[in-house]
Amino acid sequence: DTGVSQNPRHKITKRGQNVTFRCDPISEHNRLYWYRQTLGQGPEFLTYFQNEAQLEKSRLLSDRFSAERPKGSFSTLEIQRTEQGDSAMYLCASSFPETGEDTEAFFGQGTRLTVV
Amino acid sequence: AQSVTQLGSHVSVSEGALVLLRCNYSSSVPPYLFWYVQYPNQGLQLLLKYTTGATLVKGINGFEAEFKKSETSFHLTKPSAHMSDAAEYFCAVSGHAGGYQKVTFGTGTKLQVIP
Repeated sequence: DTGVSQNPRHKITKRGQNVTFRCDPISEHNRLYWYRQTLGQGPEFLTYFQNEAQLEKSRLLSDRFSAERPKGSFSTLEIQRTEQGDSAMYLCASSFPETGEDTEAFFGQGTRLTVV
Repeated sequence: AQSVTQLGSHVSVSEGALVLLRCNYSSSVPPYLFWYVQYPNQGLQLLLKYTTGATLVKGINGFEAEFKKSETSFHLTKPSAHMSDAAEYFCAVSGHAGGYQKVTFGTGTKLQVIP
């Protein structure tokens, strides 16, 4: 297992187009997180899954954003009708909380989205 | 509510000099504290974390940090900087057992190492 994998690494799209990103977590990890990171900022939480259930969504996740994790394995993040403000690095992380405590998540390399 | 303040968005040190990156936090519950490193166009890698117990935490690549409750600080240090340490560093805070959806990251400090 080589860690959390994200594809594509870079995506340039025209405003108004839809884009989809994929995240493959570490295989035994049951939690999967999506974050957005804009220039000069730290990552901001978007949403997370425990197995296939989406348990929480941030207010940053507008109606144009949707995330899925079918079968509790890989996850996809789709952005519809992209806007220039969506340009950011989208990071995925996974974890396997022990005894209910979630103290270490492993991050992928991210997908950098540029909306032109 | 919780927050993290990283003092200094850019820090420059000479190779071989002490690295000190400052982080102050606020949290209404006992915190978990983290330091991450991010290389250009890469994801975040955990350097070290404080959950409970010993307040001096040692991490990878020779880094360490000390949790000081009275000062609400968790500063990151390394005795001798290497060129390979040049990267961006993020401090983060979470309430106890809150899960990573509860982690709040700072805005980051870019470390430049001068040969």
